Amino acid sequence: AQKVTQAQTEISVVEKEDVTLDCVYETRDTTYYLFWYKQPPSGELVFLIRRNSFDEQNEISGRYSWNFQKSTSSFNFTITASQVVDSAVYFCALYGGATNKLIFGTGTLLAVQP
Amino acid sequence: DGGITQSPKYLFRKEGQNVTLSCEQNLNHDAMYWYRQDPGQGLRLIYYSQIVNDFQKGDIAEGYSVSREKKESFPLTVTSAQKNPTAFYLCASSRDRFEAFFGQGTRLTVV
Repeated sequence: AQKVTQAQTEISVVEKEDVTLDCVYETRDTTYYLFWYKQPPSGELVFLIRRNSFDEQNEISGRYSWNFQKSTSSFNFTITASQVVDSAVYFCALYGGATNKLIFGTGTLLAVQP
Repeated sequence: DGGITQSPKYLFRKEGQNVTLSCEQNLNHDAMYWYRQDPGQGLRLIYYSQIVNDFQKGDIAEGYSVSREKKESFPLTVTSAQKNPTAFYLCASSRDRFEAFFGQGTRLTVV
């Protein structure tokens, strides 16, 4: 069975603080893909990153960075020097290579206070 | 412009009625998905389709039906058997195992 767990329901930080959003996944597939999406108040999901199961390199894109660790089945997302515009719901997602299903976690609501 | 279009944006349903939510994409994607979003429950998969004329149930398919007669279109019908249909519905499409693109969503309310 596939499962994505985002244990943090809500996080509140003050602007310029660093914040890490946790994502833990379960799958029996040997080939799979992990994603992060941002959902601003408008409701439309915005793609942030895709990572396949064979690539454990960490990635940095501006203030965003991702830490993928197969040993702990985690794919965590860090925002450095957070800004008010980062306030949104963030979803972690898993695509199983054998099941062809794309499933999402319950999301983490990030509130960045000025 | 290429993209995925959901309509209507807001939909009101009376008790016992069936309603159909539209989802159209012009991205030439094979895969399409329907999700339901409720507060605190994230996105739950209703149905998905990898190819025309084929679709599979997701985790919460009861009370819903779909069709995939054309590559571009994947309409979702919320039937009267769905006892609690009030939610935000999101449609997505993707090319194989690459990132999914989402529509702007349909907010369905039972009146």
